[in-house]
Amino acid sequence: EVQLLESGGGLVQPGGSLRLSCAASGFTFGNYALSWVRQAPGKGLEWVAAVSTAGRTYYAESVKGRFTISRDKSRNTLNLQMNSLRAEDTALYYCARHPFWYIPATDQRVDYWGQGTLVTVSS
Amino acid sequence: QSVLTQPPSVSAASGQKVTISCSGSSSNIGSNFVSWYQQLPGTAPKLLIYDNNKRPSGIPDRFSGSKSDTSATLDITGLQPGDGADYYCATWDSSLIALVFGGGTKLTVL
Repeated sequence: EVQLLESGGGLVQPGGSLRLSCAASGFTFGNYALSWVRQAPGKGLEWVAAVSTAGRTYYAESVKGRFTISRDKSRNTLNLQMNSLRAEDTALYYCARHPFWYIPATDQRVDYWGQGTLVTVSS
Repeated sequence: QSVLTQPPSVSAASGQKVTISCSGSSSNIGSNFVSWYQQLPGTAPKLLIYDNNKRPSGIPDRFSGSKSDTSATLDITGLQPGDGADYYCATWDSSLIALVFGGGTKLTVL
C-alpha cells in the first residue's frame, strides 16, 4: 500500500525557515516523480514544487528562490526547505506522487496524496 | 486568480446529474491531459479522472470526464449525498512550466 507521511509543520515567524519531510513507503521510491501541493485555509489547491527521479526541480513562481525541493533515495524521503517564510505561505502542505519518473509529462496527474502537514506563518 | 477557471459552486438534487466545467488555454488544457480530484471535507484530495476521461480503479462510472479544445468537463450522474465535496481540475501548463489547478467547485447535493 502506497503511503506518504508528511512531517515538520508548525508555527514559524515571518522571515523564518522550516523543513518539511515526506516519508514514502509501499512503492519503489526511485521510480516516481514527486511534488508538494499546498492548500491555504479555506482555499483551493496550489502546486508548490516538483522533482523528477533524476533530481530535476520545478517551482511555482510564488516560492521560487525561497523554497528548495529535494529527495533522499537512501531514506525514501521527499523534503521541502522553506526559507524567508511569509504569512501567505500558511497552508496545509501535501506530499504528492506522480505516476511517472519524469517531469514534465503530458499526463501530470497526482495518483497518491499524503494527509498533509500544517505550516502557520505568524508573529 | 487560478490559471484554470471553474465555477465556485454547483448544486443538484440527489439522483440527478451535474456538470462541472474547467476552462483553460492552449498552453495547458489545449496541449496536456486533464485530471480531476475530489476532496471530501477534512480529507486529502483523491484522483477521480485522469487522461481527460479515464477512471482509476475503484472510481464508479457515475463519474466521467471529457475534453474539447481548451476546456474540460466533469460529469457526475446519479448524485448521492456522499458526492458533496470540492472538485478540482488540473493539468500541466507548458508555458508556465507548472502544474496548475482550477480554483475548485463546491458541489452541494440537495
